[in-house]
Amino acid sequence: NAGVTQTPKFQVLKTGQSMTLQCAQDMNHEYMSWYRQDPGMGLRLIHYSVGAGITDQGEVPNGYNVSRSTTEDFPLRLLSAAPSQTSVYFCASSGRSGSSGANVLTFGAGSRLTVL
Amino acid sequence: GENVEQHPSTLSVQEGDSAVIKCTYSDSASNYFPWYKQELGKRPQLIIDIRSNVGEKKDQRIAVTLNKTAKHFSLHITETQPEDSAVYFCAASFSSNTGKLIFGQGTTLQVKP
Repeated sequence: NAGVTQTPKFQVLKTGQSMTLQCAQDMNHEYMSWYRQDPGMGLRLIHYSVGAGITDQGEVPNGYNVSRSTTEDFPLRLLSAAPSQTSVYFCASSGRSGSSGANVLTFGAGSRLTVL
Repeated sequence: GENVEQHPSTLSVQEGDSAVIKCTYSDSASNYFPWYKQELGKRPQLIIDIRSNVGEKKDQRIAVTLNKTAKHFSLHITETQPEDSAVYFCAASFSSNTGKLIFGQGTTLQVKP
């Protein structure tokens, strides 16, 4: 199993450009999510999905779109990039594997995005 | 909405000492509290988790305690080692079945040899 795979690892955009961060998991997890990580602010939830065809907003959804057409894929779209979206983005999926029996988040390796 | 506060933001200890990181949460319906460790340039990884029906849980040198009344939980690392140096995140969820987590701001732990 590859786990959670994110692409690209690095991306530089100009203000106003659009792009899609790809995320795929091969663990048959129902739940997937996107976080952004900024210094001193921890991991903030952007959007999440509890299954194919179902998505919902997290803490910081503005400027981002998601869709979940299959269980495996959960792409994150930036429609018009802004400098405030410069960040490290993590995709995650979850399934029951923790010692407490709860759903445990497994993160991808991260995507570093710079918007000029 | 749900909110998780984490303190301190940085923590420096001598090798062999103990380290304690504290978190508070706002949603009394939260019932699942994991801790993640993130080494420099790496992805966060789960190190220990606890559900709201348990007050304390240990795994070798790490332990987590939960006080539901006060809505706070803590990570305790004993006999710290240089490889414990990393950023630690607490998180809370109102549903252990979804994996939707709200994270604290993170604590950078430095263990000095």
